[in-house]
Amino acid sequence: EPEVTQTPSHQVTQMGQEVILRCVPISNHLYFYWYRQILGQKVEFLVSFYNNEISEKSEIFDDQFSVERPDGSNFTLKIRSTKLEDSAMYFCASSERLVGNQPQHFGDGTRLSIL
Amino acid sequence: GEDVEQSLFLSVREGDSSVINCTYTDSSSTYLYWYKQEPGAGLQLLTYIFSNMDMKQDQRLTVLLNKKDKHLSLRIADTQTGDSAIYFCAEKAYGGGSQGNLIFGKGTKLSVKP
Repeated sequence: EPEVTQTPSHQVTQMGQEVILRCVPISNHLYFYWYRQILGQKVEFLVSFYNNEISEKSEIFDDQFSVERPDGSNFTLKIRSTKLEDSAMYFCASSERLVGNQPQHFGDGTRLSIL
Repeated sequence: GEDVEQSLFLSVREGDSSVINCTYTDSSSTYLYWYKQEPGAGLQLLTYIFSNMDMKQDQRLTVLLNKKDKHLSLRIADTQTGDSAIYFCAEKAYGGGSQGNLIFGKGTKLSVKP
């Protein structure tokens, strides 16, 4: 069964550095998402992406964050000038369509640790 | 805004039924999902229900929806040790600028004792 893959599984970065989290969505999916889960807290929506542009973003997704689909397969989340509070599990998801019951399929996540 | 609440822990014995509960706040028609997260793994979609349905059964899983009370439950029959995981309830958000992102509960940690 096709799946969403994320790399790396664990990223350790010094505070203030930039980090890029990578995702390969399911190949026929058109909608891509990033969520994060701070330890012990809820999974929170960050951003959705369709047709090479952001569809929607949450309040968390400020100027520090950006997303990109640099080629036909990868979908990346860049965090500039990382802060301690950016430490979290970051999940990528994809779906075929936006409306109706097109469920979002999630990757295994990248655990980001900011030191 | 929308919110999803779940109890945090549930412990059952192997072979018993597990019932995981969830409440949500969105009053519009929506889809509601159950995801499973095993240790170190991602979110695995288990099942879903549309808000005009009362019940959905899928093998050992039964989803019950009380739309009036905005209460959703996931029943796992004949619970096995392999069912031990965190179970997330999620609501697809529409309206108010939302275009279908998921609103998650905090997750219920299910522990199955042999």
